[in-house]
Amino acid sequence: DAGVTQSPTHLIKTRGQQVTLRCSPKSGHDTVSWYQQALGQGPQFIFQYYEEEERQRGNFPDRFSGHQFPNYSSELNVNALLLGDSALYLCASRQGAREQYFGPGTRLTVT
Amino acid sequence: KQEVTQIPAALSVPEGENLVLNCSFTDSAIYNLQWFRQDPGKGLTSLLLIQSSQREQTSGRLNASLDKSSGRSTLYIAASQPGDSATYLCAVRGNFNKFYFGSGTKLNVKP
Repeated sequence: DAGVTQSPTHLIKTRGQQVTLRCSPKSGHDTVSWYQQALGQGPQFIFQYYEEEERQRGNFPDRFSGHQFPNYSSELNVNALLLGDSALYLCASRQGAREQYFGPGTRLTVT
Repeated sequence: KQEVTQIPAALSVPEGENLVLNCSFTDSAIYNLQWFRQDPGKGLTSLLLIQSSQREQTSGRLNASLDKSSGRSTLYIAASQPGDSATYLCAVRGNFNKFYFGSGTKLNVKP
């Protein structure tokens, strides 16, 4: 079992551009959540997907959107990038009420 | 809104010492609490998950307790080792399946 995987590992974008991050959940997991972690801070919940629908959302603007595919993999899209969007983006998956497993993250730098 | 606080923010101890990390949360209506370890620039590794109906969980040298009514959890690490050096994060799963993280405790175990 490969666990939760994310791609790419690192990404550098320019202000105003758009970015797509990808996540494959752990085998057997059907719920995927995305988090933003700024340097020195704890992860902040962006949103959660289950059955291909956004089920819960944190305090993030509509520039942040996502998608879940029938195979449970997920994408996070961020439009009109700002310098403040620079962070480690983490994907987590789980099955029901069980513990979350996190991927290694994607480091996004906006210049 | 749920607020999660971790004290201390940083801790340095000599190898072999037993230590306690603290996590507090403002809303006691939680489903579970999870402790994670994060190495620099990496994703999160799950250490222990405590359901709201449980008082504690143990794994090896780690023991986590939960007092939901007082909004507190502790992570006890016995006989600390240099390999335990990392940032430790706690997260609570609250209403509507939203997850809230503390900012973490950065632990340094000196040989």
